[in-house]
Amino acid sequence: ILNVEQSPQSLHVQEGDSTNFTCSFPSSNFYALHWYRWETAKSPEALFVMTLNGDEKKKGRISATLNTKEGYSYLYIKGSQPEDSATYLCAFRSNDYKLSFGAGTTVTVRA
Amino acid sequence: GAGVSQSPSNKVTEKGKDVELRCDPISGHTALYWYRQSLGQGLEFLIYFQGNSAPDKSGLPSDRFSAERTGGSVSTLTIQRTQQEDSAVYLCASSQAIHYNEQFFGPGTRLTVL
Repeated sequence: ILNVEQSPQSLHVQEGDSTNFTCSFPSSNFYALHWYRWETAKSPEALFVMTLNGDEKKKGRISATLNTKEGYSYLYIKGSQPEDSATYLCAFRSNDYKLSFGAGTTVTVRA
Repeated sequence: GAGVSQSPSNKVTEKGKDVELRCDPISGHTALYWYRQSLGQGLEFLIYFQGNSAPDKSGLPSDRFSAERTGGSVSTLTIQRTQQEDSAVYLCASSQAIHYNEQFFGPGTRLTVL
């Protein structure tokens, strides 16, 4: 089991505010870093798959950065909306294709 | 199908009974993955298939757990002599191939062992 940590565990954001949170992962045997969004009673939805050091990905108001050398990724939400409320999971994929998930950051956006 | 499907959506069983969980991946996806989420825990990788082959079964929690895949499509996860600690949501995902990174998840099976 590989150590993938996410912080904070949860956060509350006022609608319209921006926020960000962290995923840290092993810096060796790196294959890819995944971000998923998981809403209650739904399946996890893939947000980003990042493979190269320095990668930056963007999808609407959500973006992510990757630093494979130091083993961290940030997820940013700009101008949070109530529909952004979900648990955001990161997962480290090692070069044996296994995925190790973090425990998630649960975001609650207050209207 | 349009997405990954799993059945049953909910399963309640008595301790000691065997259960089978089914996953239908997206048509044409050669890679299939099983995960579980126990209460208060993160997602735990169990096993993956490349075609019908499972190269690494070390993620299965105990020898009561087994999985198979036939015809490169449907997979079943079998838990024998269920225990209360087996209660969890079991998720299946598929991807176009093992080296294709994006995985598509099914809705999960919630297993409750009384």
